[in-house]
Amino acid sequence: RKEVEQDPGPFNVPEGATVAFNCTYSNSASQSFFWYRQDCRKEPKLLMSVYSSGNEDGRFTAQLNRASQYISLLIRDSKLSDSATYLCVVSDYGGATNKLIFGTGTLLAVQP
Amino acid sequence: DAGITQSPRHKVTETGTPVTLRCHQTENHRYMYWYRQDPGHGLRLIHYSYGVKDTDKGEVSDGYSVSRSKTEDFLLTLESATSSQTSVYFCAISGTGPRTRPTEAFFGQGTRLTVV
Repeated sequence: RKEVEQDPGPFNVPEGATVAFNCTYSNSASQSFFWYRQDCRKEPKLLMSVYSSGNEDGRFTAQLNRASQYISLLIRDSKLSDSATYLCVVSDYGGATNKLIFGTGTLLAVQP
Repeated sequence: DAGITQSPRHKVTETGTPVTLRCHQTENHRYMYWYRQDPGHGLRLIHYSYGVKDTDKGEVSDGYSVSRSKTEDFLLTLESATSSQTSVYFCAISGTGPRTRPTEAFFGQGTRLTVV
């Protein structure tokens, strides 16, 4: 089983739609969680961190469920510019080390 | 943008030759990572470093070695390149925040390596 798993998609949605991505992780001791966005042939960039209480940034909402070991990302009122691959990231750190493990990503295509 | 640069940005090399990729940061961040990205596999961790001369293997470390002799530089070496190592390589850095909790990672622009 992979450490971090995501539905690869693609998710094809019309402009204005609400879309949700889920990600599951296997290590119950994981400490930090993030969502990244990656545009074609570019480096990944941080979209938002995920906190236990859930957090929102404009049209984006991230949730963490530690008991079920999954993370979610909700995008409301999708824009054409939201088309990208969304990567779930889990940080396993302890002592001096810190491993960042990425899911394979979920491709979102927003259609006009 | 975070101060992280990768070199070279593109490289074509022949099978069996050694190749070294360089990641340089100006942020004084503790952690540095090397990933490779291939279609269908996403970003896979090759090696990472948690301090000068402190490194550990990731999930796809076979055929790769790393070195970190100073905080700002993390080198990835393919001792004898093979066609299966044709990929896009990303370097990333992350620091520490309150209570030494790791902060988010910032990525370099990537190195496109082709082994022929």
